[in-house]
Amino acid sequence: AQSVTQPDIHITVSEGASLELRCNYSYGATPYLFWYVQSPGQGLQLLLKYFSGDTLVQGIKGFEAEFKRSQSSFNLRKPSVHWSDAAEYFCAVGGLGNKLVFGAGTILRVKS
Amino acid sequence: GAGVSQSPSNKVTEKGKDVELRCDPISGHTALYWYRQSLGQGLEFLIYFQGNSAPDKSGLPSDRFSAERTGGSVSTLTIQRTQQEDSAVYLCASSLAQARDGYTFGSGTRLTVV
Repeated sequence: AQSVTQPDIHITVSEGASLELRCNYSYGATPYLFWYVQSPGQGLQLLLKYFSGDTLVQGIKGFEAEFKRSQSSFNLRKPSVHWSDAAEYFCAVGGLGNKLVFGAGTILRVKS
Repeated sequence: GAGVSQSPSNKVTEKGKDVELRCDPISGHTALYWYRQSLGQGLEFLIYFQGNSAPDKSGLPSDRFSAERTGGSVSTLTIQRTQQEDSAVYLCASSLAQARDGYTFGSGTRLTVV
């Protein structure tokens, strides 16, 4: 069965600084990988997804993520964080079955 | 519709009462999912509907939980004899056909059992 680990529960970065949120997955074949963002009181919004092809994927709001099969990782990055990026971020993995398994989330705080 | 719509947005109920949560997916999306998000927790899969196939109920935590999807569209999640541990945000999502298409989530129903 697939699983996802987000090692960081909280991360604080300064506005304008770069960001990397870590995600490690467990799955026996090539997975489908996703990053979602959840603002307070809102549902989850899809930032980006990977299921084949180029291992560096671009998403909305200036985010990107890189699939590294050798490390079973799909880390999310942004070169310059804005205060509006403060939210909770979830990594998810899917396979042949149609349900996604989500990580526990990473709360991003942005300090000015 | 333009997005996934869930109602009510908030529900407070007394322990032991039954509740129904509604989800209206995006028109044309054949797959519909229910997840539960407890405070400080990730998303816990509950149930998945795909077209006219039998639903995947493997995530339902007890037989007090049930869900149906009528006409391949609207879904209702029912919790009978609610308990305090059922307090959570219940999220519904839909996707075009497969999970790899990515889910579109509703804003959720916050259930509080007192």
